[in-house]
Amino acid sequence: EAQVTQNPRYLITVTGKKLTVTCSQNMNHEYMSWYRQDPGLGLRQIYYSMNVEVTDKGDVPEGYKVSRKEKRNFPLILESPSPNQTSLYFCASSPEWDSPNQPQHFGDGTRLSIL
Amino acid sequence: AQSVTQLDSHVSVSEGTPVLLRCNYSSSYSPSLFWYVQHPNKGLQLLLKYTSAATLVKGINGFEAEFKKSETSFHLTKPSAHMSDAAEYFCVVSDTQRALTFGSGTRLQVQP
Repeated sequence: EAQVTQNPRYLITVTGKKLTVTCSQNMNHEYMSWYRQDPGLGLRQIYYSMNVEVTDKGDVPEGYKVSRKEKRNFPLILESPSPNQTSLYFCASSPEWDSPNQPQHFGDGTRLSIL
Repeated sequence: AQSVTQLDSHVSVSEGTPVLLRCNYSSSYSPSLFWYVQHPNKGLQLLLKYTSAATLVKGINGFEAEFKKSETSFHLTKPSAHMSDAAEYFCVVSDTQRALTFGSGTRLQVQP
């Protein structure tokens, strides 16, 4: 089954404790992206990757890091989490980075709470 | 620059009545437009997409959207609401994959 898998689905942690949210897709997609969803703001893009070793900032990259060492994986790293990063996070992928008419496939989300 | 405005944050309809969720966009280029649905505790699922072919786009679960360039609108409709349609709906505009802009969402309630 084609899917985007995020782990963990839920995490409660404390300020300053490094964490990583993993994202994996099994569709051989070139493009992957991370979003955060906050009430009343829709989804905002954090980082995206057009292919292996190619990443770039989205609209709200501060406090986050990403890497793309393999095509299928695109982890999101919070080196020193803060309470304002409490949010619902989504990973998404699509076949080709330069095709705007290709819809994105979304994971089921990761709810992070930073105390 | 591109932007999306979903004109209603919350819409409530009765089961069996029509649904209208409104979306206006702005874009410097010929955009692609999407509607996604999000059920509770789930990721986003594509309902339909417009990519400069037919202006009336049919999607899954009986939803449709009409692209009106003169009005810069892409409203989502369904003739008859079901209880299972209750969810949050997002209008999305994209001129490239690097610039995907989401609306703030419209929560649809369906009353029995």
